[in-house]
Formats: sequence, structure tokens, C-alpha cells
Amino acid sequence: DVKVTQSSRYLVKRTGEKVFLECVQDMDHENMFWYRQDPGLGLRLIYFSYDVKMKEKGDIPEGYSVSREKKERFSLILESASTNQTSMYLCASSLWTGSSYEQYFGPGTRLTVT
Amino acid sequence: GENVEQHPSTLSVQEGDSAVIKCTYSDSASNYFPWYKQELGKGPQLIIDIRSNVGEKKDQRIAVTLNKTAKHFSLHITETQPEDSAVYFCGPGGGSNYKLTFGKGTLLTVNP
Repeated sequence: DVKVTQSSRYLVKRTGEKVFLECVQDMDHENMFWYRQDPGLGLRLIYFSYDVKMKEKGDIPEGYSVSREKKERFSLILESASTNQTSMYLCASSLWTGSSYEQYFGPGTRLTVT
Repeated sequence: GENVEQHPSTLSVQEGDSAVIKCTYSDSASNYFPWYKQELGKGPQLIIDIRSNVGEKKDQRIAVTLNKTAKHFSLHITETQPEDSAVYFCGPGGGSNYKLTFGKGTLLTVNP
């Protein structure tokens, strides 16, 4: 069974802290993604990675960085957390099968920055 | 980049009625058209998808139709049930990379 896990379901951090959100997939997928989800704005892509140590900016990368040292793990880093980064963060992974780009999502991390 | 619009943003139906959600996209290179369902407290999950060489696909009570010329595709749910209540996202993609661009979502409420 496909599984994407995220390190925390809920996280509360203070403004200025460095925050790490971890995502692990057990499906040997090449591609991994970080999204943030806000009411009325849907899912917005922050960064994605199509191979180990390869990364590309998504639509809203400002204030974020990522790390992918191993195929199964993709980390999102908030270098200096700000209140406008309070959001739900979703990680996903995918593998091109020749007919589908299906993405498998984790349960999400609700981050509050105070 | 891809510009995706999804309508309506909210939809309320009576149990047993049909529901239709429409997604419009801009990138003519898109060739993969999925619909995801997100239940409360969970991540989105794929419920149906279609490739650009197919006009319609059905899976029990759900179907997706594609009009590639007009650049839109729709999710159809028949005989709706309370457990269909969720947020639905379209996410066209498959052009030059593995990205999907998601719409803003539709909150579907099925009233018993």
C-alpha cells in the first residue's frame, strides 16, 4: 500500500525560528512535491524534486528552501518563519507510469507561526 | 505557466441528485486531467483521471469528460451520497514535466 508520511500533524513555531517539515515516501517514487493549502486559494506548489538532489521552484518558493539527500525523503525548510507562513503544508510523491502522473499525498502538517 | 479555473467554488445538492464540477485550463500541452477528493483532515486522493486521447471515462458513479478543443474537463457524480461531501480539485498537467496545477477547489455538500 502506497504511503506518504509527514513528520508532524500540528506544529507551532515562533516568528524567526527555522522550521523543518519532513516528508517520507515508501514507494520508490522519483518525484516529490511540497504544496501549501490555504482557504480559497487551493493547492499551491512551493517546490518539487524530480530526482535526488534535483529541485525546482514552484509557484510560490519565496521564503522556503528544500532538501532531498535521499530518494525517499523530501524536506521543506522555512529559514526564518513568519506569520504569513501559517498554513497547511502537504507533501506528495509521484512516479510516471506511462499513463498517469498520479500524485500520492501525505496527511498534511498544520503549521502555526506566532 | 498553466492557468486553471474551477467552478463552482461551492455546490450543495440533495442526496440522489447529480453534481457537476468544471475545470478550465490554459496550457494546450497538458495531456493528463485528474480529479482529486479531499476529505476533512486528510490529503487529497485521486478519484478519476483521463488522458487527452480519450473523451470520457466512467467509474461507477463518477465520470470525467474532456473537451480538449475548448480546454475544459468536468467531473460528474451521479446518485450523490452524504459520503461524497468533500472538497474536489482538478489538476491538469503532463506537459513538459511532472507538475500538476491544481484548481482552487469545490466544496461539495450532499444533504441527506
